[in-house]
This record gives sequence, C-alpha cells and structure tokens, in this order.
Amino acid sequence: ETGVTQSPTHLIKTRGQQVTLRCSSQSGHNTVSWYQQALGQGPQFIFQYYREEENGRGNFPPRFSGLQFPNYSSELNVNALELDDSALYLCASSLISGRDLREQFFGPGTRLTVL
Amino acid sequence: AQRVTQPEKLLSVFKGAPVELKCNYSYSGSPELFWYVQYSRQRLQLLLRHISRESIKGFTADLNKGETSFHLKKPFAQEEDSAMYYCALSGRGNYGQNFVFGPGTRLSVLP
Repeated sequence: ETGVTQSPTHLIKTRGQQVTLRCSSQSGHNTVSWYQQALGQGPQFIFQYYREEENGRGNFPPRFSGLQFPNYSSELNVNALELDDSALYLCASSLISGRDLREQFFGPGTRLTVL
Repeated sequence: AQRVTQPEKLLSVFKGAPVELKCNYSYSGSPELFWYVQYSRQRLQLLLRHISRESIKGFTADLNKGETSFHLKKPFAQEEDSAMYYCALSGRGNYGQNFVFGPGTRLSVLP
C-alpha cells in the first residue's frame, strides 16, 4: 500500500502566473482534500473532492480550482498568483464509506513561493 | 462562523508531568472533533477523533459541548511527545463539507 505523494516538492513562481500542484491518493481512497498552510499557522481547508466532484469548499476565491481524476489522483490549480499564496500546500486522501469520512492521510506537501 | 482556537502557541512541561493542550471551538451544529500531530520531519497525522473515544499513545480528549472544548490530556508526558499539535473540526459549511484547523500548539517535553 503506497502513501499519499505530492509533486513537486518545491516551486517558485512570480506574481500573476498560474500553477498546478499534483497529488496521488493512497490506494483505495475515494476522497481528496487540499489545504493551504502559511508559515506558523494551521492548515486552511481549500476544497474536497469525492468521486471527481467538489464535495466542499473553504473560504478561498474561485482562482483556486481543482480536479479529481478517475484514478482518484488530484490537481490543485491556482491562477493569477499573489504574494500571499506563498505557503505549504497539503493534500490529504481518505475514504468516504456511507456517510462516514474515515481518517485523512496527509502528503508531505508542496512548498510554493511567489515572488 | 466555524472556528477553532488553541490559546497556547508553546507549552513546555517536564518529562513525567501531566500535560493538557487546550482547544475551543465555535460551530452551530454537531461537529466532529479531531487532534492531529506532526512530529519533527514527519507528516501531519491523526492522533485521535472524538467519536472513537480511544486513548492513543496515552492521550485522551473529551468533547465538552457545554464549554465547546476538546482539550487533549496525558497524565505523564514523555520526551517523544514533543511535537506540533493541531485541534480540528469537521462539519457542514456554507459550501458543503468543511474542515477547520486551529493554529497549533508546540509541545516541548523537557528531560
């Protein structure tokens, strides 16, 4: 059983650019959530995808968008990057069975720096 | 608004001493509460969730709906407990499923 993987590990972009971050879910999981973690803060929920559809969203603008693929891997896209988007981006996969969301397993994160 | 607060950024205790990490939340409804832990150079991982009512690594947490608290406790701290601890809630927000994490408390257990 493989764990959650994310790519790339580090990324540097300039203001106004677009970025795509990738996440490979743990085997058997059907749900992926994305979080933004600024330095010294707790993770902030961006959105969750369940069976390729957005299942929930936090307080993030529409320039943060995502996709979940049939193999349950996922992408986070951020358009028109701003300096405040500099953060660690975490992906977490889990299994929704019935109405129960099982434990979330986190990836190592992608460190995004916007200059 | 859904919110999780952890009043202590840093908590230092001596090995063998009791430890309590405080967590308060605001949520209109019945959230699910969690404690996550991040050890040095490791990933964020679930420590415990209130519905399972388990004791993990000697830690327990009781949900107090009256005080809207979910404090994490351990009677005798160990050096290997030193880590970053996050309290979090899961519930329904304005746009479906929502998760809210607190700012975290760094626990340092001194020898």
